[in-house]
Amino acid sequence: DSGVTQTPKHLITATGQRVTLRCSPRSGDLSVYWYQQSLDQGLQFLIQYYNGEERAKGNILERFSAQQFPDLHSELNLSSLELGDSALYFCASSDRVEIAGGPGERELFFGEGSRLTVL
Amino acid sequence: DQQVKQNSPSLSVQEGRISILNCDYTNSMFDYFLWYKKYPAEGPTFLISISSIKDKNEDGRFTVFLNKSAKHLSLHIVPSQPGDSAVYFCASNFGNEKLTFGTGTRLTIIP
Repeated sequence: DSGVTQTPKHLITATGQRVTLRCSPRSGDLSVYWYQQSLDQGLQFLIQYYNGEERAKGNILERFSAQQFPDLHSELNLSSLELGDSALYFCASSDRVEIAGGPGERELFFGEGSRLTVL
Repeated sequence: DQQVKQNSPSLSVQEGRISILNCDYTNSMFDYFLWYKKYPAEGPTFLISISSIKDKNEDGRFTVFLNKSAKHLSLHIVPSQPGDSAVYFCASNFGNEKLTFGTGTRLTIIP
């Protein structure tokens, strides 16, 4: 058990709909990352939050958005869903404090993922 | 642009033998390398890492080798056990950048 909790584990919805995926990081972790894993693909970085603020953005579509709340949990919102959005969405957290110019986030602790199926 | 590449989608190894998983990277700024293991229906779990100041790091049955000049790293598992059957991802980053992952190699250990 990594200590990172993701809900829901499975979600089936239709094209055009909107869903919200939720993540609770490990206790004390300030950084939350979202990754997408499509079929036969690696883990594609979507977005990172650090202590409530967006820190880095990857290949995240404009139809997707995220936020991190004061209690440090995070939500990933996916709207106007398309068939190609079907994937596993992983949340990860890290306990390393970012230091300007210092070593970056290293080991990430992943949740079990949310499997989204768009029909 | 795939900065971290795992060119073997799958690998089968006899139980007790050595498993060698390979990973290549293109970004010469990467200075930290990690291996993650993933079972079905679970999230990836951290396995072992290596800093660019080293060329080898060992943890029990797992050893990671880094060849900076070739931009290549490998994970050796000796001896391989049935519980090692999983998908293995290599990942890398530098500074405060996010981790960049490879596409994974599915390792199957044959009893």
